Amino acid sequence: EVQMVQSGVELKKPGESLKISCKGSGYSFVSYWIVWVRQMPGKGLEYMGNIYPGDSDTRYSPSFQGQVTLSVDKSISTAYLQWSSLRASDTAIYYCARLDVAGVDYWGQGTLVSVSS
Amino acid sequence: EIVMTQSPATLSVSPGERATLSCRASQSVSSDLAWYQQKTGQAPRLLIKGASTRAAGIPARFSGSGSETEFTLTINSLQSEDFAVYYCQQYKNWPFLTFGGGTKVE
Repeated sequence: EVQMVQSGVELKKPGESLKISCKGSGYSFVSYWIVWVRQMPGKGLEYMGNIYPGDSDTRYSPSFQGQVTLSVDKSISTAYLQWSSLRASDTAIYYCARLDVAGVDYWGQGTLVSVSS
Repeated sequence: EIVMTQSPATLSVSPGERATLSCRASQSVSSDLAWYQQKTGQAPRLLIKGASTRAAGIPARFSGSGSETEFTLTINSLQSEDFAVYYCQQYKNWPFLTFGGGTKVE
């Protein structure tokens, strides 16, 4: 069974750094792109970028380029999304998911990131 | 960047009725179009891929149609569990993706 399991709720202050994780299991982790999606409170889905665990090829949406960093540790089948300096506007639920050739087929449960002073 | 526009923003329907949701692309995406359902407090779920192919386990009352720039998701005989927000998403520029703004079915 394919599963994407994300790390838990994060409560942070502005200016702090953060790295959240997403562990894939039940499939060949290195063979599928991992996509990250943001959902701000009460809003829609926003594509952030994706990473290919096989060779760490990374693509970013222009809206998120320079704002976040995607990485992966294929030895433990885990992808990461990190910020060097959080802002209040980063408050959102962040989803990781597996990208198939025809859509995003398996989603993580989401990680709530709350940034407040 | 390909922009996806969904309409209407909110659709009010009664159980048992048909719901028709629209999605328009700013340029042709061929049939590289997926639909997702998101219920409150849950992660999205893939419903339709390739514009018209139901994903595994999706009931037959869900159907997708269209190509190029105009797409439709139809939900026949709406069930109570179908009240949710629906998103379209293009993957013409795979692995880059773009989501529409969503349609809430209430």
